[in-house]
Amino acid sequence: NAGVMQNPRHLVRRRGQEARLRCSPMKGHSHVYWYRQLPEEGLKFMVYLQKENIIDESGMPKERFSAEFPKEGPSILRIQQVVRGDSAAYFCASSPRLIAGGSTGELFFGEGSRLTVL
Amino acid sequence: AQTVTQSQPEMSVQEAETVTLSCTYDTSESDYYLFWYKQPPSRQMILVIRQEAYKQQNATENRFSVNFQKAAKSFSLKISDSQLGDAAMYFCAYRDQGAQKLVFGQGTRLTINP
Repeated sequence: NAGVMQNPRHLVRRRGQEARLRCSPMKGHSHVYWYRQLPEEGLKFMVYLQKENIIDESGMPKERFSAEFPKEGPSILRIQQVVRGDSAAYFCASSPRLIAGGSTGELFFGEGSRLTVL
Repeated sequence: AQTVTQSQPEMSVQEAETVTLSCTYDTSESDYYLFWYKQPPSRQMILVIRQEAYKQQNATENRFSVNFQKAAKSFSLKISDSQLGDAAMYFCAYRDQGAQKLVFGQGTRLTINP
């Protein structure tokens, strides 16, 4: 059973370009989460999506950032007009269903995508 | 909003010895989950151990155990018989039972001295 798959693992962009990060959740998981990790810091929540729906985007910057999780295909985190401050590791996680009593509450993480903005 | 605090940016321990990593959190909820994740140099986030707040018994996974003090809102991780492969960043995380997102602490970098 493959884990959460993220690609690319490393992405280099120049200021002003667009970055697209992809995430395929674990088989059977319908909930996806994106987190950002700046150097030497913990993970910060960005957005939570279900298929075709954004459920919670309270951690997303208001401009330039967007996320989607279409009915078919991976979840995409898109950063337009990147700036140096966007350089970070972006982690995707998935869970099997709405977290409720009896579940483990665990998120399963991918290996992350490291974005470097020159 | 819930917050998670790890007051030890760095810790080191001799191989085969025991080390304890501290974590405190702030919440007004009564039902929640607590986690310790390990992030080795490969950067993959690996779940080490989890604790449900309604359980009084401290969770244990082989050499890893927690000291969960609900009233004090404390959730420390004890690693026994430390091994070189335990060297990593360790993150404490909190999650409301009814919420979907994890809140992470700042992390503790653990070094194992041979």
